[in-house]
Parts: sequence; C-alpha cells; structure tokens
Amino acid sequence: KNEVEQSPQNLTAQEGEFITINCSYSVGISALHWLQQHPGGGIVSLFMLSSGKKKHGRLIATINIQEKHSSLHITASHPRDSAVYICAVSQGAQKLVFGQGTRLTINP
Amino acid sequence: DAGVIQSPRHEVTEMGQEVTLRCKPISGHNSLFWYRQTMMRGLELLIYFNNNVPIDDSGMPEDRFSAKMPNASFSTLKIQPSEPRDSAVYFCASSDRGSTGANVLTFGAGSRLTVL
Repeated sequence: KNEVEQSPQNLTAQEGEFITINCSYSVGISALHWLQQHPGGGIVSLFMLSSGKKKHGRLIATINIQEKHSSLHITASHPRDSAVYICAVSQGAQKLVFGQGTRLTINP
Repeated sequence: DAGVIQSPRHEVTEMGQEVTLRCKPISGHNSLFWYRQTMMRGLELLIYFNNNVPIDDSGMPEDRFSAKMPNASFSTLKIQPSEPRDSAVYFCASSDRGSTGANVLTFGAGSRLTVL
C-alpha cells in the first residue's frame, strides 16, 4: 500500500463545476503539499499546509490531521485548470513522499 | 529571480554514455533536491542537500548515479554509465528551509532524458 493515496486517478468535468481531489496518507507528517503539473511538464507548488485550510484564488486546500486526509477544491473550474495534481507529504526534515497524481480535464 | 534553472532540457544519448544534468537553485535557497519522474513510479526523491551538504541519498538507485553540490549556486546529477531504464524526467527543486523544517519548493522545468 502506498503511503500517499490520491483519488480519483482521473477526473473529467465541465467548465464551471466544483472539483474535489482527495489525498490520504498513512504516515506521520510535518506538512502536506499540493503540486500542479501542466501538460508541458512544469511543476508548481500550490499549497503547503500542516493544519486547517488555505485559500488562493479559486483553489482551496484543507487538511484533517486526525483523519490523515486532505482535499484540494477548485471552484468555478476552467479548462486552464486541466493538469495533474499531486499530493505530497513531508516526513520530518524535507523529504517528500508523493502520491501518484490526479489527472484533471476540464472541458469547455 | 529566474527561478530554478536546469540544463539540458532534453538529452538523448546511447546506453553506456555518461550523462550530466545541471541545476542552478534560486539564490538564497539553502536546500536543493533532485527528483526523478517516470510513468510507472511517479515522482521520487533521489537526493537532497542542505547548505551544500548531502543529507539523504537513499533514493539514489545505484552506484551509477552520483550528485554533487560544489557551491550554493550549482549542482550536478551524473549517470555513468547510462541505461535505457534511466529514461525519465529529472527535476531539480530548491527551498529556503524555515523554522518549521518544511518549506514550499520551487521546481525547475526538468530535464527529459532518453537513453537508447
């Protein structure tokens, strides 16, 4: 079993829909990261959080430490949100363990 | 700042050749990471440095892989000899380690390696 599990693996939605991507982990962590990888391959860090909720524009990330679960939400989704979203956890120091990613496609 | 700069962006080489990937981290960042991404295994940490010192190289696949960070502004990842299974995208990332010990990473654009 992977230490970091994401669901769903693939998600297709229509423009404007509310999107939720889930991440569960089985190890103790110091922080959880959400990354975005566009079709061109570049990786951008969206959020790093260790408790509660963070919001940036149309993106919201939440984490429940007790349940070892995090969600990434996208409101009013747009085709430019199409990308692979990757959850990763820090286990002490700065070593990241990655989920396999969720491929999101938003159709116009 | 130009961000994390990696070179080359693409490299195609033949099995047995030496490959050197280069990375310039963001000025002032004191941690540098090398990751490998493949379809089968996703993103994996190969090695990371704090203040130019290798901290954890447990992800380095085998002795054919080596990494150096001679100064705060430059790191190399070398594969010698290269094998087809080394084909992947290699990402370098840097961060400014804060008091919490974990900080937001900035990734380079990646180096896509194909070993024939």
